[in-house]
Amino acid sequence: QKEVEQNSGPLSVPEGAIASLNCTYSDRGSQSFFWYRQYSGKSPELIMFIYSNGDKEDGRFTAQLNKASQYVSLLIRDSQPSDSATYLCAASMNSGGYQKVTFGIGTKLQVIP
Amino acid sequence: DAGVIQSPRHEVTEMGQEVTLRCKPISGHNSLFWYRQTMMRGLELLIYFNNNVPIDDSGMPEDRFSAKMPNASFSTLKIQPSEPRDSAVYFCASSLFRGQYFGPGTRLTVL
Repeated sequence: QKEVEQNSGPLSVPEGAIASLNCTYSDRGSQSFFWYRQYSGKSPELIMFIYSNGDKEDGRFTAQLNKASQYVSLLIRDSQPSDSATYLCAASMNSGGYQKVTFGIGTKLQVIP
Repeated sequence: DAGVIQSPRHEVTEMGQEVTLRCKPISGHNSLFWYRQTMMRGLELLIYFNNNVPIDDSGMPEDRFSAKMPNASFSTLKIQPSEPRDSAVYFCASSLFRGQYFGPGTRLTVL
């Protein structure tokens, strides 16, 4: 069982709608959580991180963390075609004195004009 | 500031040949990661260095793979001998605190 689970999609949303990307993790020792955006043929790009329960907002992006449910989500408001990409969720935990990071498989988002 | 630099960007080689991938992390970052990405398996961590010391190489597939970090500004990932199943995109990433910053990747094709 993969430690960080994501639906591979594709998730299709109309332009202007809210895109909701979800991620679950299995290790309760996970402390920090990251969302990366990866355009086709490009490298992953860090867009948000969160480590406290609740919401964290940055522009059109909101990351949500619920440690009790072991659930992380990313909301993208007013979705644009340029948001079409694969979104990778990652969880970090302290392992042997260093931060071990595990990535999910990624969810492909398609924003339809 | 320049981001993570990787070379070559593309590599096509024949089975059995040695392949060396290179990475220059962001100046000041103390952690360096090598990943392999395929459609089937996603992003897999191969090895992680902290302050130039290998910390976790449990993701290195087998003895054909080796990685070095002789100083804070340079790392190599070597595959010898290469096999067709090694075909993938290899990313190097560096980090200081939270989050990793990825290089553009090397697309490796082994024929």
